[in-house]
Amino acid sequence: EAQVTQNPRYLITVTGKKLTVTCSQNMNHEYMSWYRQDPGLGLRQIYYSMNVEVTDKGDVPEGYKVSRKEKRNFPLILESPSPNQTSLYFCASSLSRDRTVYGYTFGSGTRLTVV
Amino acid sequence: AQSVAQPEDQVNVAEGNPLTVKCTYSVSGNPYLFWYVQYPNRGLQFLLKYITGDNLVKGSYGFEAEFNKSQTSFHLKKPSALVSDSALYFCAVRLGDGGATNKLIFGTGTLLAVQP
Repeated sequence: EAQVTQNPRYLITVTGKKLTVTCSQNMNHEYMSWYRQDPGLGLRQIYYSMNVEVTDKGDVPEGYKVSRKEKRNFPLILESPSPNQTSLYFCASSLSRDRTVYGYTFGSGTRLTVV
Repeated sequence: AQSVAQPEDQVNVAEGNPLTVKCTYSVSGNPYLFWYVQYPNRGLQFLLKYITGDNLVKGSYGFEAEFNKSQTSFHLKKPSALVSDSALYFCAVRLGDGGATNKLIFGTGTLLAVQP
């Protein structure tokens, strides 16, 4: 089944403790992206990657890192999490050069709480 | 600035009645427009899209949307609402410039509540 898999689904952590949220897709998509969803703000892009070893900042990159060493994986790293990073996170992927794209395929989300 | 607006935080409708969830956009160039639905504890699911062609687009679960270029709107509609349609709906727009960038700009979401 074509899908984007995120782990974990739920995570509670303490301020300053490094964490990684994994994202993997099995559709050979070139483009991958991370979003955070907050009430009243919708989805905001954190980072995106056009292909392996190519990453760039989105609208709200502060406090986050990403890497794209393999085409299928795009982990989101919080080196020193803070309470304002408490949010619902989504990974998404798509083909980069398909003009009739169906937008993105989304993962099921990771609900992160930083205390 | 490019943006997508969903003016209603919540829409309430009785089961069996028609529903409309509003979306307006502001982008340069030709817009690619999307609607996604998010059920509780789930990721976003694609509903429908407008790229070009007929202004009335039909999608999943009986939903449709009408692209109106003069009003820069892309409202989501359904003739007869179901309780199971209750969910969070997001409108999104992507620039149709044919380039490599695939960034989607999302609205803030509209919670649809269908009462039995």
